[in-house]
Amino acid sequence: GQNIDQPTEMTATEGAIVQINCTYQTSGFNGLFWYQQHAGEAPTFLSYNVLDGLEEKGRFSSFLSRSKGYSYLLLKELQMKDSASYLCAVRVSGNTPLVFGKGTRLSVIA
Amino acid sequence: DAGVIQSPRHEVTEMGQEVTLRCKPISGHDYLFWYRQTMMRGLELLIYFNNNVPIDDSGMPEDRFSAKMPNASFSTLKIQPSEPRDSAVYFCASSFGDQPQHFGDGTRLSIL
Repeated sequence: GQNIDQPTEMTATEGAIVQINCTYQTSGFNGLFWYQQHAGEAPTFLSYNVLDGLEEKGRFSSFLSRSKGYSYLLLKELQMKDSASYLCAVRVSGNTPLVFGKGTRLSVIA
Repeated sequence: DAGVIQSPRHEVTEMGQEVTLRCKPISGHDYLFWYRQTMMRGLELLIYFNNNVPIDDSGMPEDRFSAKMPNASFSTLKIQPSEPRDSAVYFCASSFGDQPQHFGDGTRLSIL
């Protein structure tokens, strides 16, 4: 089976930096995705990694190590609006659907 | 551009009734996915289509669930008969090739 693990909950302070980790054990690998989901809303795409290394997009960065089956999402200069769930997802092969982790609920406090 | 459109947004019905969820994917997208989200199990794939053809329905819980995609701009997910354990948020998503999936706003389904 496919297994994707991420912490259930995290809390961080406004203005700080937070790192959300994701580890995966899957039968194959063709890309790792991060989605943001605010309560009661749809998941929205944040970032995509298929090669090792860091992808930066404004305040958000995502890192991938394929040999370790590991990724993280880094959020800088946290804002209250960043309070949401962050979903890690792996594409196992080709254009097959994503396999999602259960998400990390991030609370940003003043 | 319009995103993925789902209807209804909320559905409350009694056990045993038929439920039909609808989805209009983004124009030009060739993949369509149906997911179910619960607190316990997270986001689970139910079925997906490529060019209107069902590719993998192994995630459909049982025969009470069925999905169709009669054309490139419309899909339905039907539950008959519905049971309380089917209560969840059902998301439809679409994508073009290997591009990221775009999700609809979901249907919050409650079976009493």
